[in-house]
Amino acid sequence: LAKTTQPISMDSYEGQEVNITCSHNNIATNDYITWYQQFPSQGPRFIIQGYKTKVTNEVASLFIPADRKSSTLSLPRVSLSDTAVYYCLVVLTGANNLFFGTGTRLTVIP
Amino acid sequence: GAVVSQHPSRVICKSGTSVKIECRSLDFQATTMFWYRQFPKQSLMLMATSNEGSKATYEQGVEKDKFLINHASLTLSTLTVTSAHPEDSSFYICSASPGGSQPQHFGDGTRLSIL
Repeated sequence: LAKTTQPISMDSYEGQEVNITCSHNNIATNDYITWYQQFPSQGPRFIIQGYKTKVTNEVASLFIPADRKSSTLSLPRVSLSDTAVYYCLVVLTGANNLFFGTGTRLTVIP
Repeated sequence: GAVVSQHPSRVICKSGTSVKIECRSLDFQATTMFWYRQFPKQSLMLMATSNEGSKATYEQGVEKDKFLINHASLTLSTLTVTSAHPEDSSFYICSASPGGSQPQHFGDGTRLSIL
């Protein structure tokens, strides 16, 4: 299983764009990159998933360089409610079991 | 979107009690569901894989006789913590996927507190 490395914590002011980078040097050809958000006392919530280049949805963008050894989750104009832990996972297509790393604790400051 | 429901959300009980937690996929069928445990300020740890119609697969270090898993239908998996003790107090979370390349979706977790 590809191991992921993320910053332990980040702070950002309200209204700013936040970029969280994840390293996954041992990613395999069939692996997807998936990001989850977790609030205290709740289960993780799926944010975005991608394989290469750029993926965008209504809440975030995911940038993946050509070598796929890293990825960046971009949250536009964060608000206080975006304070949470963000997990980056590398998931084999068709596989179901997920192994979570330490995640990044994002604190949005007013 | 895919919804996973978990019940109860919180349990407080005495030591020695057995506690059952239910995990349901509301709008899709799941042949496989997963159970995680999360201690305060820590990441999620996979405990076991629940397989519909067959035995669960447990991760190393997880006692199968302590954490009984039953996956009786394509939409329901249960985790029973048998003879719970204070050290079993934790946040238990289940997940399931509709299949293929679709991501896992998680329940809202069960906070178990053993007195």
